[in-house]
Amino acid sequence: SYVLTQPPSVSEAPGKTARITCGGNNLGDKTVHWYQQKPGQAPILVIYYDTDRPSGIPERFSGSNSGNTATLTISRVEAGDEADYYCQVWDSDTYHWVFGGGTQLTVL
Amino acid sequence: QVQMVQSGAEVAKPGASVKISCEASGYTFSNYYVHWVRQAPGQGLEWMAIFNPRDRPIYAEKFQGRVSLTRDTSTDTSTTTVYMELRSLRSDDTARYYCARGAGGKELDSWGQGTLVIVSS
Repeated sequence: SYVLTQPPSVSEAPGKTARITCGGNNLGDKTVHWYQQKPGQAPILVIYYDTDRPSGIPERFSGSNSGNTATLTISRVEAGDEADYYCQVWDSDTYHWVFGGGTQLTVL
Repeated sequence: QVQMVQSGAEVAKPGASVKISCEASGYTFSNYYVHWVRQAPGQGLEWMAIFNPRDRPIYAEKFQGRVSLTRDTSTDTSTTTVYMELRSLRSDDTARYYCARGAGGKELDSWGQGTLVIVSS
């Protein structure tokens, strides 16, 4: 089955740029979606179709996907961005949905 | 607006079954999927199954034979309820279970609040 690999944690200072990676075999050939989950809350979609933002998501959130790595970039990081972030793809070989293991973002 | 409202917490004994509901409203039900995703305490998200209004459900291999998805056939067309039943419960099934609307790009764009299931003797 398809595997997505994320770093367990990322830390960044307020106002800086945080980058969270998601790795997978030929991931650039798939469409990647990203979710934010704050403690005690349900996940919310923050990036879909690799680069698109749902309405209400700040422009500070952006995404890219190429080769074997997709990246969620959060510019001008704020304390309110502290959360777990998950990448997700659809595996066309198994018709299953796959999540990465999640990355905890800490704002220093 | 789109709403996915789930039933309340459940406590069940090992070997028993649990059935969780997810009431979808605010959109045309037949145009979207309904996913089920679970999250064990302190762990990540795990995809379980998908309800396709136009086809049969698909279940993750890990849950094949233990999970079933069904739909309410209520005459109230403003809401539709999808049920997820998990059988032969084990202690490691203790988790929060989420339903989520699935869109055409394979993203999950609206999530329920989650239902906590505790499996304990």
